[in-house]
Amino acid sequence: SAVISQKPSRDICQRGTSLTIQCQVDSQVTMMFWYRQQPGQSLTLIATANQGSEATYESGFVIDKFPISRPNLTFSTLTVSNMSPEDSSIYLCSVARSGGITDTQYFGPGTRLTVL
Amino acid sequence: AQKITQTQPGMFVQEKEAVTLDCTYDTSDPSYGLFWYKQPSSGEMIFLIYQGSYDQQNATEGRYSLNFQKARKSANLVISASQLGDSAMYFCAMRDFGNEKLTFGTGTRLTIIP
Repeated sequence: SAVISQKPSRDICQRGTSLTIQCQVDSQVTMMFWYRQQPGQSLTLIATANQGSEATYESGFVIDKFPISRPNLTFSTLTVSNMSPEDSSIYLCSVARSGGITDTQYFGPGTRLTVL
Repeated sequence: AQKITQTQPGMFVQEKEAVTLDCTYDTSDPSYGLFWYKQPSSGEMIFLIYQGSYDQQNATEGRYSLNFQKARKSANLVISASQLGDSAMYFCAMRDFGNEKLTFGTGTRLTIIP
């Protein structure tokens, strides 16, 4: 398994501002994923972040709104830009070693974001 | 395209009873993996159990077992001797071959009654 930490654990932000969420893993992993979970909903994948390449965004998510960095094999950041109340969600970082069908994906504790 | 269906939005179960959470899936790929996660009110996603499409036996992890019926494309989670701490959201997820990302179901909220 992997131990994953996220900072901040929660935040309350004003409309129009930006927040950067950090994800740190205790070991090197190939694949990192960022998810959004809106209140009462399931998880929605925002993007896949592999070290050394640009993040791959899912339909409905764009780099200008959710820029991602992946400077090394243990760290990634997600920025939520120009926030609106609709961005209020739990944001979860997740990692997998290889992305194969047997590869368990582990999750960080999440960042609870409230936008006023 | 892969799809996960969880038809039970909520369940209430008496403490110490067994509970089955339903999950059906759809994929055209013969190679896939099925995962169950628990999400307590704290928000973290906790991995519970994994079942591979070619596994001959149903997966078990402590009080968790997976009732895998490949022909029916179902992968139900069974929790034996439920405890108050089992109250949480439970998500079924799948990854098939060549698809590095997980697809999640809509989840089931399980409440254990003392």
